[in-house]
Amino acid sequence: GAGVSQSPSNKVTEKGKDVELRCDPISGHTALYWYRQSLGQGLEFLIYFQGNSAPDKSGLPSDRFSAERTGGSVSTLTIQRTQQEDSAVYLCASSEYISYEQYFGPGTRLTVT
Amino acid sequence: GQNIDQPTEMTATEGAIVQINCTYQTSGFNGLFWYQQHAGEAPTFLSYNVLDGLEEKGRFSSFLSRSKGYSYLLLKELQMKDSASYLCAVRARNAGNMLTFGGGTRLMVKP
Repeated sequence: GAGVSQSPSNKVTEKGKDVELRCDPISGHTALYWYRQSLGQGLEFLIYFQGNSAPDKSGLPSDRFSAERTGGSVSTLTIQRTQQEDSAVYLCASSEYISYEQYFGPGTRLTVT
Repeated sequence: GQNIDQPTEMTATEGAIVQINCTYQTSGFNGLFWYQQHAGEAPTFLSYNVLDGLEEKGRFSSFLSRSKGYSYLLLKELQMKDSASYLCAVRARNAGNMLTFGGGTRLMVKP
């Protein structure tokens, strides 16, 4: 079946604008994760969903970041009033259950100018 | 919290064997994963260890020692396409079974 998909693949935005990143997990996967990867760095965990619930939001870098998931499927990560330090690749992953192997999407490369 | 260390960069020769080490400190350890990530691409799953010992999968093997907080990824018969970053990730019950990733080891395979 189809893997994890993310859109857009690339996004260039001006500082101060809001952006919305979308993730479509593998069908039937109950767990969904958002990570951020800055150039040459490791993966920084942001938030995960079990179904539509996000039990722990402490990984979000600031209150400008929010995420939601509806219908146990698609998730959106929203960044308000973007800053240059938000520039990174945002990766989404999904797994059958919270403790299972994670499958990653291709990522969204966000550039804030 | 969790602490995961792995070398930043390694270089090896085509056809050789390379070992990438990962040390970790965590409570509630519940498994260690290795992922491969080519430049500009998403990470892909390589291996999973939860018990001590060696797991072999083709040219790749992964070893775990829980008492030492240590794992390694062994790549045999290196090919140019193995040039990539290798990410070590630890899952911990105390962290809701979430994965915490190390910074990754960038492996360069030279002819």
